[in-house]
Amino acid sequence: GENVEQHPSTLSVQEGDSAVIKCTYSDSASNYFPWYKQELGKRPQLIIDIRSNVGEKKDQRIAVTLNKTAKHFSLHITETQPEDSAVYFCAASWSTGNQFYFGTGTSLTVIP
Amino acid sequence: GAVVSQHPSWVICKSGTSVKIECRSLDFQATTMFWYRQFPKQSLMLMATSNEGSKATYEQGVEKDKFLINHASLTLSTLTVTSAHPEDSSFYICSARLAGLSFTDTQYFGPGTRLTVL
Repeated sequence: GENVEQHPSTLSVQEGDSAVIKCTYSDSASNYFPWYKQELGKRPQLIIDIRSNVGEKKDQRIAVTLNKTAKHFSLHITETQPEDSAVYFCAASWSTGNQFYFGTGTSLTVIP
Repeated sequence: GAVVSQHPSWVICKSGTSVKIECRSLDFQATTMFWYRQFPKQSLMLMATSNEGSKATYEQGVEKDKFLINHASLTLSTLTVTSAHPEDSSFYICSARLAGLSFTDTQYFGPGTRLTVL
C-alpha cells in the first residue's frame, strides 16, 4: 500500500515569513495529492490539491509543487498570518475517488 | 454545497456496549464514503472504504466484526463500534466523495465524532 511521509512534524515561523512542508510518497500509481488544514477538534479542510499532470499550482498565498520522478510534493505558504496556525496534512491517492493515505501531519505555529 | 455531517458529535459509553455513528452527505449523493480514525495529535488513519449497496473494504489490521460499516443509501453510511473498550476511544471522521464534475471531484470531511469508552 501507499506510505506517505511528512516533514517537519512541527514548524514555527514569524508572521510574514514563508513556511514549507514536504511530503514523500511510495506508490508511483498515486496521482492525486490534496493538502488539508485541521484546527483543533475540527474537521480537515481542503486547502489546495494537485494532480499528477501538473507540476505546480498556486492559490493566493498557498502553492503546491509536485515532483513525480522523485515522488515528493510540497506545500508553500507565503506571508504567513497567525490564522495559518493549525495542523497540516498531506495525502496521496490513486484518484480523488479512492482512499486517501495521509502523512503524519505538521503543526504550524505562526508567531505574531 | 458539499456538506457532510456526523452524528453524534461526541459520545460517552460504558465498556462492552455498542455505539453507532452516522455520516450523511447533506446536499449531494455519495457513492463512496470513507471512515478514518484519529488519535490525539496524530494523523488520520483510514479504517475502511464504504460503497453504497455493497460490503465495505477494510484496511489491514482493522477488525471488520468490531467496526461494522453499513452504507444503505447514497447519503448515509454508519459505523458501529461493537463491544467497545477504552482503547477504542478516539476521534472518528468520515469523508464522502463528491463525484461528477471534475473541478469538484474530491472528498469532503465530516466534523468528526469523539468517542470515549469508560
